[in-house]
Amino acid sequence: AQSVTQPDIHITVSEGASLELRCNYSYGATPYLFWYVQSPGQGLQLLLKYFSGDTLVQGIKGFEAEFKRSQSSFNLRKPSVHWSDAAEYFCAVGPGGTSYGKLTFGQGTILTVHP
Amino acid sequence: DSGVTQTPKHLITATGQRVTLRCSPRSGDLSVYWYQQSLDQGLQFLIQYYNGEERAKGNILERFSAQQFPDLHSELNLSSLELGDSALYFCASSETSGGGNEQFFGPGTRLTVL
Repeated sequence: AQSVTQPDIHITVSEGASLELRCNYSYGATPYLFWYVQSPGQGLQLLLKYFSGDTLVQGIKGFEAEFKRSQSSFNLRKPSVHWSDAAEYFCAVGPGGTSYGKLTFGQGTILTVHP
Repeated sequence: DSGVTQTPKHLITATGQRVTLRCSPRSGDLSVYWYQQSLDQGLQFLIQYYNGEERAKGNILERFSAQQFPDLHSELNLSSLELGDSALYFCASSETSGGGNEQFFGPGTRLTVL
């Protein structure tokens, strides 16, 4: 069974500071990995995804994530946070090599940005 | 705007009642997914349809059912509602069915059961 752990429920950073959100996954085969962002009252928006190849993936809004197979991690990073980045962030794993698309999400990390 | 529409936006009903949530996928997407987001359970996958056929099932209660129609819109039916069914229900869609597809999420339907 696939599972995702986001160890940090809530993170607070100052505007302009760097950010790293942690994600650990469990999946028996090669996973598909995703980061989504949810602003209050909104649906989820895809920030980036990893399927294979280069382990450092670039996404929208200046975000990047690095896949580390040895650590079963897929941490999200941003060099300089903007106030508009305040939201909830979800890491998700999808079943690689299958014909169905069930996503398993972590519990989410709420990001607060101080001016 | 993801292109996925969900109606209604909010729904308030009483225990024991039945409701129907509706989802229209993005133009051209054949797969529809339903997720439930609640404070205690987080975001949980309920069910996936692909081109009218059920493709995958998650933690969906027997009181819940879904279908995808020939025009590809989908409905999630929730019956014998309980207080614990109060949640945000998301629909998502993707072009095809596999695990690597990007899923585009709708804005959700917030269900409150009183």
